[in-house]
Amino acid sequence: NAGVTQTPKFQVLKTGQSMTLQCAQDMNHEYMSWYRQDPGMGLRLIHYSVGAGITDQGEVPNGYNVSRSTTEDFPLRLLSAAPSQTSVYFCASSETSGRTQPQHFGDGTRLSIL
Amino acid sequence: GNSVTQMEGPVTLSEEAFLTINCTYTATGYPSLFWYVQYPGEGLQLLLKATKADDKGSNKGFEATYRKETTSFHLEKGSVQVSDSAVYFCALAYNNNDMRFGAGTRLTVKP
Repeated sequence: NAGVTQTPKFQVLKTGQSMTLQCAQDMNHEYMSWYRQDPGMGLRLIHYSVGAGITDQGEVPNGYNVSRSTTEDFPLRLLSAAPSQTSVYFCASSETSGRTQPQHFGDGTRLSIL
Repeated sequence: GNSVTQMEGPVTLSEEAFLTINCTYTATGYPSLFWYVQYPGEGLQLLLKATKADDKGSNKGFEATYRKETTSFHLEKGSVQVSDSAVYFCALAYNNNDMRFGAGTRLTVKP
């Protein structure tokens, strides 16, 4: 059981470049989300999806796009990378968005923007 | 707004020592409370949770009790091991669209 799989694990970009961070889950979870982790700030929600075809913004959505065409996949796109987007990015999923549902996290993508 | 405050780290303990990591929260209503653990190079894993006041979550020797009167959810373990070295995050949630994490507390356990 792979759980939540993120690729790539590491990436270095130049300012202005675009890229897509991939996320896939094999647990048939309805809810998926993207967080960024910055030192001393915990995790902050970027975007989330409550099901295929449905996405919405979290706390820090600027500069990022998402789509959810299938239950399994939830890619995160950086349209024009900026140094402020240097961070560790985590994808997570849960059965539903309910308050008692724990989230399952991928191993993260460490992204550096030069 | 809703928020979580954790004790600042890093915390360094000797093996078999008692562990407490403090977590307090600010919230309206009745959120669920969670502790997640992050081992080096990995994502966060659920350690334990509590969904209502006075609930005690427990797992792998760790415990935390949801205290509404003191708005706290302190993590405790009676005897830590080297393998417990990790970063621990306290979190609250009304739903997963509004999950708030603390800044994390790094624990190092020395043999």
